[in-house]
Amino acid sequence: DQQVKQNSPSLSVQEGRISILNCDYTNSMFDYFLWYKKYPAEGPTFLISISSIKDKNEDGRFTVFLNKSAKHLSLHIVPSQPGDSAVYFCAASATSGTYKYIFGTGTRLKVLA
Amino acid sequence: DAGITQSPRHKVTETGTPVTLRCHQTENHRYMYWYRQDPGHGLRLIHYSYGVKDTDKGEVSDGYSVSRSKTEDFLLTLESATSSQTSVYFCAISRGPNTEAFFGQGTRLTVV
Repeated sequence: DQQVKQNSPSLSVQEGRISILNCDYTNSMFDYFLWYKKYPAEGPTFLISISSIKDKNEDGRFTVFLNKSAKHLSLHIVPSQPGDSAVYFCAASATSGTYKYIFGTGTRLKVLA
Repeated sequence: DAGITQSPRHKVTETGTPVTLRCHQTENHRYMYWYRQDPGHGLRLIHYSYGVKDTDKGEVSDGYSVSRSKTEDFLLTLESATSSQTSVYFCAISRGPNTEAFFGQGTRLTVV
């Protein structure tokens, strides 16, 4: 049973436009959420995170929104650049108990020049 | 960059042979993780450690064992490799709750 879901395997966006990547989770114990970016043949790199006490966190071109009632988070990239083309993973964790990160299946973003 | 080193980076092994992958960190982080990445499955947690000699199973632990005898090293062992364990394996480290994990460069394992 997949606790973190990314239902869109791929997304194509024109350069300069907004990219919106979505993620849903099922475990109500999750209270910290993260987005990672992965290029081929490299390890995932951390992008941005959000705690469940917030509904928005912004870092430059990247903004993460959290809707706890819907168990849904999204990553907005504005403006999108060709270098943003990568696979994006969302992850969730619960601060109670031993700490681990559960990842989604990823969304491949292609930004078209 | 976080100090995480995975070894080997690439390995080809035969079905039925034991394989050990090593993750070494220089950050003194408490938590260490092993994930595998497969097409259509994303990153799946195999095992993790929350301290020296403290480990627990993840989502896909069957066929894998781990050991952590010191803070900086986390070993993943495939006791008898199978073709279904062909994958890219990533180690990650974390300070703990409400912090991000840092990943190593990955180990590409092929079981023939």
